[in-house]
Amino acid sequence: SQTIHQWPATLVQPVGSPLSLECTVEGTSNPNLYWYRQAAGRGLQLLFYSVGIGQISSEVPQNLSASRPQDRQFILSSKKLLLSDSGFYLCACRRGFMNTEAFFGQGTRLTVV
Amino acid sequence: AQSVTQPDIHITVSEGASLELRCNYSYGATPYLFWYVQSPGQGLQLLLKYFSGDTLVQGIKGFEAEFKRSQSSFNLRKPSVHWSDAAEYFCAVANTGTASKLTFGTGTRLQVTL
Repeated sequence: SQTIHQWPATLVQPVGSPLSLECTVEGTSNPNLYWYRQAAGRGLQLLFYSVGIGQISSEVPQNLSASRPQDRQFILSSKKLLLSDSGFYLCACRRGFMNTEAFFGQGTRLTVV
Repeated sequence: AQSVTQPDIHITVSEGASLELRCNYSYGATPYLFWYVQSPGQGLQLLLKYFSGDTLVQGIKGFEAEFKRSQSSFNLRKPSVHWSDAAEYFCAVANTGTASKLTFGTGTRLQVTL
């Protein structure tokens, strides 16, 4: 089965600083990859998803961007963090072109101060 | 656009009581449906999934869910709740294309009293 690695687990960053969260996947090739943000009382908000290298779909306009430089690597970035970027970020993976469930990483708790 | 509604933000049940968590979805065709559980500060674990076939699906930890097309619902049930079931539960829908978007509801927090 697939394994999702996310790091770091926790991060405290000042307002205006850059951000890079990395997610890597093992156990499958050509997966669909997703970034979600979870804020209190708001469930899981889909930020970006990708069906292949260099292919990124953005769900909401925001201060973040995503990239997929390799098949099993998905990166969430920001040039300048805002206070509102604080939250719990989850990376998820589904097998591409198949009817499967998503597997999740353990998440990154980001606090912007 | 697909969407998921979980109308109950917070539910409290007594240990041993039955449980039903509601989920309604919006999607133009037959969707793929999921229920996930999340313990505090953790990722999500799949409880069960529906793709096609039998509309009553069994999952892990004694959970089941029933797909009702006429009601656009996929409610989660458990006949007897255990204290360890206290967590947050998410319903999700995925579209059936290859560019597959997975959309979650806002979640239901379950509290279990002893």
